[in-house]
Amino acid sequence: NAGVTQTPKFRILKIGQSMTLQCTQDMNHNYMYWYRQDPGMGLKLIYYSVGAGITDKGEVPNGYNVSRSTTEDFPLRLELAAPSQTSVYFCDCRPLYCVSGYGYTFGSGTRLTVV
Amino acid sequence: RKEVEQDPGPFNVPEGATVAFNCTYSNSASQSFFWYRQDCRKEPKLLMSVYSSGNEDGRFTAQLNRASQYISLLIRDSKLSDSATYLCVVNSAISGGGADGLTFGKGTHLIIQP
Repeated sequence: NAGVTQTPKFRILKIGQSMTLQCTQDMNHNYMYWYRQDPGMGLKLIYYSVGAGITDKGEVPNGYNVSRSTTEDFPLRLELAAPSQTSVYFCDCRPLYCVSGYGYTFGSGTRLTVV
Repeated sequence: RKEVEQDPGPFNVPEGATVAFNCTYSNSASQSFFWYRQDCRKEPKLLMSVYSSGNEDGRFTAQLNRASQYISLLIRDSKLSDSATYLCVVNSAISGGGADGLTFGKGTHLIIQP
């Protein structure tokens, strides 16, 4: 089991460019999440999905889009990159029956810089 | 070697017991260290920072050993509400620009049994 795989690990974008951050899990978990983490700040939820075909906005969705066509993949799309989107992005997945203390897996993160 | 490594558990511990988690990190230039707690369907929340001198917050004690690149968390008199995933987190600043970010371990799963 690879768990959660995020790609790329690092990326530098120019303002206005677009890109997709990939997140893939091989644990057949229903729930998947995208967070951003800024220096000195906690994690903020961007979007989440409770299963294939279902996505919902989190706390900071503006400037991002997601899709969940399969259980395994939950890509995060930046259409028009802005400097405010410079951050570290984490993907997370959890099973349907969530029991405190068991079953979560965080990705290794994607460091994005917009210049 | 993974950047931040933890025993995933699960640790099944009776209520009232003392439990200890360990974490190792690979980057000797790492500057800051933290323990986060993650509950079901919630984002991870900062539990405590970790200092070389050791620090205590109520029932929780954290310790850092820079020479061995090792971090620990001790929970005394464990409560049912302590059931969660505990993430070891390391801040290794990237030189030359880029977001100064945290690297999360995959978590240690703790289940407190009544």
